[in-house]
Amino acid sequence: NAGVTQTPKFQVLKTGQSMTLQCAQDMNHNSMYWYRQDPGMGLRLIYYSASEGTTDKGEVPNGYNVSRLNKREFSLRLESAAPSQTSVYFCASLVGGTNTGELFFGEGSRLTVL
Amino acid sequence: RKEVEQDPGPFNVPEGATVAFNCTYSNSASQSFFWYRQDCRKEPKLLMSVYSSGNEDGRFTAQLNRASQYISLLIRDSKLSDSATYLCVVRGAAGNKLTFGGGTRVLVKP
Repeated sequence: NAGVTQTPKFQVLKTGQSMTLQCAQDMNHNSMYWYRQDPGMGLRLIYYSASEGTTDKGEVPNGYNVSRLNKREFSLRLESAAPSQTSVYFCASLVGGTNTGELFFGEGSRLTVL
Repeated sequence: RKEVEQDPGPFNVPEGATVAFNCTYSNSASQSFFWYRQDCRKEPKLLMSVYSSGNEDGRFTAQLNRASQYISLLIRDSKLSDSATYLCVVRGAAGNKLTFGGGTRVLVKP
């Protein structure tokens, strides 16, 4: 059982380049999330998708776009990467239920923008 | 003001001692609350949910104070393996928005 799979695990970009981080979950969860974590800090929500076909902005959406391709997949795109986007990106999916808070995370994607 | 705030620490704790720390949240309508644990460079994992009446899970006790808008985590009989960053998570009043605090680092020393 793979859980949440993120690709790539590591990426180096030059300023201005674009890329897409892929995320897929096989647990049939409705809600999916993208967070970023900078060194020594907590996770900040970029975008989330409560269900297939919907997406909502989180705390730090600027510079990112997302696509909820289907129930399994939720991708994060950087159109024009900036050094400030150097971070570890975590994708997660949420166990169903009104008051649950159990997020299953991928292993993270470590992005460096030069 | 940040939505969810934590003392970053580190809390240096002798092995076997008790440590406690809080997390404050700004939205009084927040629905539910959780503690996560994160080991260095790893993904966070759910430690425990926080119920209105308070709850225990082994050596860990979580409490919620809605009037003052904070949750707390207490670790008794600290083990070296408890060294980690503890993240509080708040679920919003509407929808499935889950917001993390900045984390509290705990270092348990022999």
